[in-house]
Amino acid sequence: AQTVTQSQPEMSVQEAETVTLSCTYDTSESNYYLFWYKQPPSRQMILVIRQEAYKQQNATENRFSVNFQKAAKSFSLKISDSQLGDTAMYFCAFARTGNQFYFGTGTSLTVIP
Amino acid sequence: GAGVSQSPSNKVTEKGKDVELRCDPISGHTALYWYRQSLGQGLEFLIYFQGNSAPDKSGLPSDRFSAERTGGSVSTLTIQRTQQEDSAVYLCASSSQSRVSGANVLTFGAGSRLTVL
Repeated sequence: AQTVTQSQPEMSVQEAETVTLSCTYDTSESNYYLFWYKQPPSRQMILVIRQEAYKQQNATENRFSVNFQKAAKSFSLKISDSQLGDTAMYFCAFARTGNQFYFGTGTSLTVIP
Repeated sequence: GAGVSQSPSNKVTEKGKDVELRCDPISGHTALYWYRQSLGQGLEFLIYFQGNSAPDKSGLPSDRFSAERTGGSVSTLTIQRTQQEDSAVYLCASSSQSRVSGANVLTFGAGSRLTVL
């Protein structure tokens, strides 16, 4: 079975600073997909970023980027120039082709003004 | 529709009653998922529908929980004889994922908050 581990239950960062959220996963598969989802207090889950395992280049979406280390099975999310609106729960997720998604337990991020 | 629609958004019920939660996925999405999220917790997988295949029910916590998906579109999650521990937010998500195209993005609904008194 696939497992996704987020070892940081809570984190905080000063506004405009950079923060990195950690995620590790366990799988014997070689082809898979990794995601970061954001859940603000409104509880609507929103996709932040997506990475395909066969791509070596790290995905980037504006202020959000990932550090994908396939051999280490690590998939961390870096948020640059943190904004108050980034305050949310962040979930790391793993999925195989045509199969269900597995989510970590989440990291609660607070951006401090 | 433009997004995944869930109803009701909030439901308060008495212990022992049955409840039905509805999910209307994005048109054309073949994959549909139900997750349960207890207060401040992560997402607990419940059930997964993919096209016409038999659903993956491995996450359903007990036989009081069941779900169906009619015509490959709308899904209903039914909880019979509700218990207080069933109180949670129930999230539905859909995806255009297929066994050929790979894992596409999950789009979530806003969830149904269930409170069992």
